[in-house]
Amino acid sequence: KNEVEQSPQNLTAQEGEFITINCSYSVGISALHWLQQHPGGGIVSLFMLSSGKKKHGRLIATINIQEKHSSLHITASHPRDSAVYICAATSGTYKYIFGTGTRLKVLA
Amino acid sequence: DTGVSQNPRHKITKRGQNVTFRCDPISEHNRLYWYRQTLGQGPEFLTYFQNEAQLEKSRLLSDRFSAERPKGSFSTLEIQRTEQGDSAMYLCASSLGFLGPSRNYNEQFFGPGTRLTVL
Repeated sequence: KNEVEQSPQNLTAQEGEFITINCSYSVGISALHWLQQHPGGGIVSLFMLSSGKKKHGRLIATINIQEKHSSLHITASHPRDSAVYICAATSGTYKYIFGTGTRLKVLA
Repeated sequence: DTGVSQNPRHKITKRGQNVTFRCDPISEHNRLYWYRQTLGQGPEFLTYFQNEAQLEKSRLLSDRFSAERPKGSFSTLEIQRTEQGDSAMYLCASSLGFLGPSRNYNEQFFGPGTRLTVL
């Protein structure tokens, strides 16, 4: 069992839909990260969370420390949101432990 | 551009050859990380440096792999006697690496990656 698990692995949505991607982790963490990866490899940090909730534009990230669970929500999805979304946990040594990613495709 | 850069972006090599990749981190970052990502998977940790000291190595880093960061700035990752299973995207990231209440000291910034294909 991976230390960081994501669901779903693949997600197809229609433009405008509300999207939720889930992440569960089994390790003690100092932070939980949500990242976006576009074709070609580039990874961009979206959020870094240690508690509560953060919002940036149409993206919202939440974390429940007790349940060891985090969610990434996209409101009013758009085809340009199509990418792979990855959650990653960090603990004492600061390396990222990545989930396998959720491949999102938003159709016009 | 002051982001993390990696060279080359793509490398195609024959099995058994040696390859070397370079990563230039963000200049004030003292931590540098290497990850490997195979198709359809999330990245996996290989090793990290604080300044020039290599502080942790994954068991994924076999004796054919060596990483250096000689002056605490750029880093190189060398793979000797490449195998087809080494084909992957090799990602480099850097972070500030010091404690500070108002700074995301642990936030890592990623380079574009080097895609290795071993024939």
